[in-house]
Amino acid sequence: NAGVTQTPKFRVLKTGQSMTLLCAQDMNHEYMYWYRQDPGMGLRLIHYSVGEGTTAKGEVPDGYNVSRLKKQNFLLGLESAAPSQTSVYFCASSPSGFTRTDTQYFGPGTRLTVL
Amino acid sequence: GENVEQHPSTLSVQEGDSAVIKCTYSDSASNYFPWYKQELGKGPQLIIDIRSNVGEKKDQRIAVTLNKTAKHFSLHITETQPEDSAVYFCAAKSTYATPLVFGKGTRLSVIA
Repeated sequence: NAGVTQTPKFRVLKTGQSMTLLCAQDMNHEYMYWYRQDPGMGLRLIHYSVGEGTTAKGEVPDGYNVSRLKKQNFLLGLESAAPSQTSVYFCASSPSGFTRTDTQYFGPGTRLTVL
Repeated sequence: GENVEQHPSTLSVQEGDSAVIKCTYSDSASNYFPWYKQELGKGPQLIIDIRSNVGEKKDQRIAVTLNKTAKHFSLHITETQPEDSAVYFCAAKSTYATPLVFGKGTRLSVIA
């Protein structure tokens, strides 16, 4: 099993450009999450999904959109990138919340720079 | 909603000494408390977790304690080694349908 994978690993954008970050998991997990990590700020939740076709807002959703068309994939979109979105983005997944298994498994991260 | 505070933000210890990282949470309904380790350039990885029906859990050199009354939990690392150097995050969650809420992290440096 590859676990949680993220594409791309690095990206540089100009202000106003758009891009999509792809997260894929092969563990048949129901829940998937997108976080951003900034120095001194820890991990902040952007959006999450509790199942295929569902999405919900997290702590810092503004400027981002997500889609979960397939159970194994969770896409994070930036429609018009801003320098404030320069960050490291992590995807995570976890089994169904209705079991007593809450462990979240993280991907390796995507380092995004917006100039 | 839940709020998790983590202290200290940085911690330096001599190799072989113990390290303690503390977290407090605000939501008395929280019942799951994991600790994650993040090495440089990698994603966070679960190292130990505890549920609210136990007060302490150990795994070799790592232990976690939970005080539900005071709403705080701690990570204890004994006999620290250079490979323990990393950023450690605590987290908390309540119902099964809610995501984890993370502390801001502690950068641990083990000096050989």
